[in-house]
Amino acid sequence: NAGVTQTPKFQVLKTGQSMTLQCAQDMNHEYMSWYRQDPGMGLRLIHYSVGAGITDQGEVPNGYNVSRSTTEDFPLRLLSAAPSQTSVYFCASSYSRRNTEAFFGQGTRLTVV
Amino acid sequence: GESVGLHLPTLSVQEGDNSIINCAYSNSASDYFIWYKQESGKGPQFIIDIRSNMDKRQGQRVTVLLNKTVKHLSLQIAATQPGDSAVYFCAVNTGGFKTIFGAGTRLFVKA
Repeated sequence: NAGVTQTPKFQVLKTGQSMTLQCAQDMNHEYMSWYRQDPGMGLRLIHYSVGAGITDQGEVPNGYNVSRSTTEDFPLRLLSAAPSQTSVYFCASSYSRRNTEAFFGQGTRLTVV
Repeated sequence: GESVGLHLPTLSVQEGDNSIINCAYSNSASDYFIWYKQESGKGPQFIIDIRSNMDKRQGQRVTVLLNKTVKHLSLQIAATQPGDSAVYFCAVNTGGFKTIFGAGTRLFVKA
């Protein structure tokens, strides 16, 4: 049972490039989410999904897109990377609609130069 | 909106002592409160949660206390061990899916 798997673990992008952060879970959880973590701040919600085909915006959605075609996968797309998107990104899944016990991946450390 | 703050960014305790990590929240409508532990280089890991209709909940070596009057919650770790060294986050849910995280308290355990 792998839990939540994120790839890649590290990534360096040039300003303006696009890329997709991958996230997969094998716990059959309905709810999945993406967070970013910046120094001295808590995790901030970017986008989330309450089931296949259903996504919604979190606190900081600008510059990011998501889709959820299957229960297992929830990729995060950076459309045109900016230095302000340098951060550590975490994907999480939960069985709870109140997101009270989230299972997090190991994170992707993204640097935009 | 909701804001969540931790009282101390760092906490240092002696191995074997009890640790208390505090958190304050602003929205009296908050009804789920969650604690996570994050070790270096890893994602956060769920520790324990408590609902607003409770004042106290215990887990294995951990206790969460909720004081709704002053909008404060705390995580108590009994007999702190070196493996407890990590950053601890409180998170608050006021309804629906969105959860607001505090900035975290880094716990150092001295041998």
